[in-house]
Amino acid sequence: GENVEQHPSTLSVQEGDSAVIKCTYSDSASNYFPWYKQELGKRPQLIIDIRSNVGEKKDQRIAVTLNKTAKHFSLHITETQPEDSAVYFCAAGGNKLVFGAGTILRVKS
Amino acid sequence: NAGVTQTPKFQVLKTGQSMTLQCAQDMNHEYMSWYRQDPGMGLRLIHYSVGAGITDQGEVPNGYNVSRSTTEDFPLRLLSAAPSQTSVYFCASRTQGALRNSPLHFGNGTRLTVT
Repeated sequence: GENVEQHPSTLSVQEGDSAVIKCTYSDSASNYFPWYKQELGKRPQLIIDIRSNVGEKKDQRIAVTLNKTAKHFSLHITETQPEDSAVYFCAAGGNKLVFGAGTILRVKS
Repeated sequence: NAGVTQTPKFQVLKTGQSMTLQCAQDMNHEYMSWYRQDPGMGLRLIHYSVGAGITDQGEVPNGYNVSRSTTEDFPLRLLSAAPSQTSVYFCASRTQGALRNSPLHFGNGTRLTVT
């Protein structure tokens, strides 16, 4: 089955800097790659997603890139703000969506 | 629209007890799923369903049963609770299009403690 690895497990950046979180997946049949943000005590919420027929997608300060050959995808957040502090999860799959273990992002002001 | 509604929000069980976590959605989503979230382990898929009458196992199905008699409801049953099932449980749903890749909508979660 699918296996998703996510790095780093924690990431601290200064406000205004960029943050990059990377994930690798194992199943070449996976065709959907969403990213979720989860604040403490709350439910995960989708921030951006990408499908296997697209290499890059951008939404304001957030972008995701996908390399199908290498089986990895990344989340890029530019101009980080304190409210970006949260846990971020990547996921890969189709009917079975498998999540990475999460990255705790801390934005220091 | 209420979205995905989970009940109860909190539950404490003794080892060996059984219970059902409820999940309902009002978005007419074909696909529904259950995840458990443990510290440092992300979200792990327990069971999922692509439509009424159809269920399938996820990554960690042991100790849990599901059924899908209606489009709206997808209850998760713990047959004999164990301390290892202490976790936060999330129900999630989405549309089930031909490409099978639309965003998951999560409920607010049920925090379960088994003593």
